[in-house]
Amino acid sequence: AQSVTQLDSQVPVFEEAPVELRCNYSSSVSVYLFWYVQYPNQGLQLLLKYLSGSTLVESINGFEAEFNKSQTSFHLRKPSVHISDTAEYFCAVSDRVGGGSEKLVFGKGTKLTVNP
Amino acid sequence: NAGVMQNPRHLVRRRGQEARLRCSPMKGHSHVYWYRQLPEEGLKFMVYLQKENIIDESGMPKERFSAEFPKEGPSILRIQQVVRGDSAAYFCASSPWGLAGETQYFGPGTRLLVL
Repeated sequence: AQSVTQLDSQVPVFEEAPVELRCNYSSSVSVYLFWYVQYPNQGLQLLLKYLSGSTLVESINGFEAEFNKSQTSFHLRKPSVHISDTAEYFCAVSDRVGGGSEKLVFGKGTKLTVNP
Repeated sequence: NAGVMQNPRHLVRRRGQEARLRCSPMKGHSHVYWYRQLPEEGLKFMVYLQKENIIDESGMPKERFSAEFPKEGPSILRIQQVVRGDSAAYFCASSPWGLAGETQYFGPGTRLLVL
């Protein structure tokens, strides 16, 4: 069974400050890793994902995440946040083995609030 | 290309009534996933369907909940005899091939309130 832990339920930061949202996972098999973002009263949108290759993945809006296998982590970072980044961020994993269900297992989410 | 559509967006039911939630996947997608988001919780997987088939229902409560994805028309999540604990946001997601690591595209959700 897989599980995802997002250590911070809420992260308040000031605009233009750096931010890191932490994500650790537990799994008995290899996994794929995802970060989704949810704006108020909307569905989830994929921010970035790690499938293979370089352990550092980037999104088009300046976020990046690094897969660390030894620490079973996939922390999300942004060097300078904007007001518009205020949202809830979910880390998720799915089983690499596949062959039946590629369901996502989500963490509880981290609410990022960017203040002026 | 329209995204994943869900309706209704908000649904209010009294205890004991039935709730029907509909999901139309993105065009060309034949794989649908349903997730439930309880207050202050992350999303929990409920069921995975392909056209006319339930592939994985390991997250579905054993009673009162059912899902279908007919050959024609949207996927339906049905909750019979709703209870207050069913109040949640229900999201569906779709993907084109159901492959491991494939991006799932989410709809805006249906927010169910049981009075």
